[in-house]
Amino acid sequence: KQEVTQIPAALSVPEGENLVLNCSFTDSAIYNLQWFRQDPGKGLTSLLLIQSSQREQTSGRLNASLDKSSGRSTLYIAASQPGDSATYLCAVYMIYNQGGKLIFGQGTELSVKP
Amino acid sequence: SQTIHQWPATLVQPVGSPLSLECTVEGTSNPNLYWYRQAAGRGLQLLFYSVGIGQISSEVPQNLSASRPQDRQFILSSKKLLLSDSGFYLCAWNQGLITEAFFGQGTRLTVV
Repeated sequence: KQEVTQIPAALSVPEGENLVLNCSFTDSAIYNLQWFRQDPGKGLTSLLLIQSSQREQTSGRLNASLDKSSGRSTLYIAASQPGDSATYLCAVYMIYNQGGKLIFGQGTELSVKP
Repeated sequence: SQTIHQWPATLVQPVGSPLSLECTVEGTSNPNLYWYRQAAGRGLQLLFYSVGIGQISSEVPQNLSASRPQDRQFILSSKKLLLSDSGFYLCAWNQGLITEAFFGQGTRLTVV
């Protein structure tokens, strides 16, 4: 059974700091890994998608890496801003029955202090 | 461009009442559709997914059911709500196995 773990559960940093969020998964038979952002009371916003054959993806100040063999992914946020404050979720996509499903970690709640 | 609509945004229902949450996707055809629930302080739990009209797979036994009457419409229902059905319900879609998943804005359901 696939299990996705995110460390730390919460993180508070001063504005301008670079930071790394961690995601690990137990079953390497994934099709892709996706990082999301969730603001309080809102839906999920997709940040980055990494295919299983890829090592990393970048979008602006965000960089996500994937090491499928070791079951790890990291989300790197450069020069953090108060607007980055949110919960960050990683999810792996796996084949299941006749379709597939995203399996989520519990999230990392990030607070960036001005 | 593709968009996903989910309504209502909030809902307060008494125990034992029925439920119908609707999700529609625009700008694509034959999407995979998903219903997730997020309980307070917990992660997202997959409830149902569908790879086509009339094809529904259930992840966990529960008081809920799902239907897909049209290609881009996914409905979450219950005949009689329980207190434990309270939570944040999210609809999502993607196209195939390797594409990005997109989520709706969610429905906050409170059963009283």
